[in-house]
Amino acid sequence: GEDVEQSLFLSVREGDSSVINCTYTDSSSTYLYWYKQEPGAGLQLLTYIFSNMDMKQDQRLTVLLNKKDKHLSLRIADTQTGDSAIYFCAESKAGQLTFGKGTKLSVIP
Amino acid sequence: EAGVAQSPRYKIIEKRQSVAFWCNPISGHATLYWYQQILGQGPKLLIQFQNNGVVDDSQLPKDRFSAERLKGVDSTLKIQPAKLEDSAVYLCASSLRGQGITGELFFGEGSRLTVL
Repeated sequence: GEDVEQSLFLSVREGDSSVINCTYTDSSSTYLYWYKQEPGAGLQLLTYIFSNMDMKQDQRLTVLLNKKDKHLSLRIADTQTGDSAIYFCAESKAGQLTFGKGTKLSVIP
Repeated sequence: EAGVAQSPRYKIIEKRQSVAFWCNPISGHATLYWYQQILGQGPKLLIQFQNNGVVDDSQLPKDRFSAERLKGVDSTLKIQPAKLEDSAVYLCASSLRGQGITGELFFGEGSRLTVL
């Protein structure tokens, strides 16, 4: 199976919260990341969390990490149309990043 | 600060032809990566350079793909001969110290390859 798994699609209404979930496989991953990819663009680092943390908040973004279940989530508060993009979860393994397939977030005005 | 530059943005070729992609990383970034992103999938690492040396090329199909970073700055990725399954976006990324620290890779916009 895939090393990093994500649901492929998420649709939310503008102003609601979005929650994107991810499961990973390597319990020794030091860092876990969320990248954002807008159409026709490269990936941009949104946020990351160190493996000894269980939560990190950065403005509208909240990352939750459950190491026991190897589950990572990204919550976007007050989702805006500009948040429409593909969001990739990634784990650091053997010094390299392994990406999930990405979750396409669609924001309905 | 200028970002990661890649060219060409788009390339259409027929199978068995060759193609080359160019990448200029952010100034001062020692580590350079080439990723392949097939439609609907996440990026997959092809090769990682530290300065002008190869750190990891274990997932590079060496029978047809080659990459170099001769002077430790810009890099080229070549495919010869191309197959239909090589249709993808080829992303170049760079970082100051390599992934595994904070993991911040800076990506270019990518080169989209279509093989007919």
